[in-house]
Amino acid sequence: AQSVAQPEDQVNVAEGNPLTVKCTYSVSGNPYLFWYVQYPNRGLQFLLKYITGDNLVKGSYGFEAEFNKSQTSFHLKKPSALVSDSALYFCAVRDMNRDDKIIFGKGTRLHILP
Amino acid sequence: EAQVTQNPRYLITVTGKKLTVTCSQNMNHEYMSWYRQDPGLGLRQIYYSMNVEVTDKGDVPEGYKVSRKEKRNFPLILESPSPNQTSLYFCASSPSVKGLGYTFGSGTRLTVV
Repeated sequence: AQSVAQPEDQVNVAEGNPLTVKCTYSVSGNPYLFWYVQYPNRGLQFLLKYITGDNLVKGSYGFEAEFNKSQTSFHLKKPSALVSDSALYFCAVRDMNRDDKIIFGKGTRLHILP
Repeated sequence: EAQVTQNPRYLITVTGKKLTVTCSQNMNHEYMSWYRQDPGLGLRQIYYSMNVEVTDKGDVPEGYKVSRKEKRNFPLILESPSPNQTSLYFCASSPSVKGLGYTFGSGTRLTVV
């Protein structure tokens, strides 16, 4: 079965520093991978996706993610963190073998420290 | 504006009192889904629908019902709510084209006492 794992429950980063939120995946076939962000009291918002093509995917709010097939990873990155980036981040994979359902990781809470 | 609308945003109810959470999308999406979000468990799929009159169970369907009589609407029904259904619920929709992500509603925080 397709799955994603987010090994860190929480990540703390100082404002202005680069940030990385980790995600690894387990899929059969080509993965369709996503990152979503959830701000307090809000629904999930789409950040970016990887389907095919360049391994570095650029998304909203200055975020990018690097697809690494050999390491089965899809880490979310940003060169310079903002306090407003503090939120809950979810990695997800679309399971083409199960009616295209999207399977989410457990989420990583990102704290950007002023 | 393209969106998924859920109502209500907040609901407190008593055990056993039937309730419905509505979900509507204005993007002509074929695929709709309900998730619940609980601390430490992430998002778990309750039910989903590939199109009108086509629904199927997700990972945690017990205690819930859904219907898809129209393309735009996908209500979640709790016939006899129990305290373990206290959670944050999200409706989401997606085009049928493979590889695209979901658009989410703003969520419904349900408390069952």
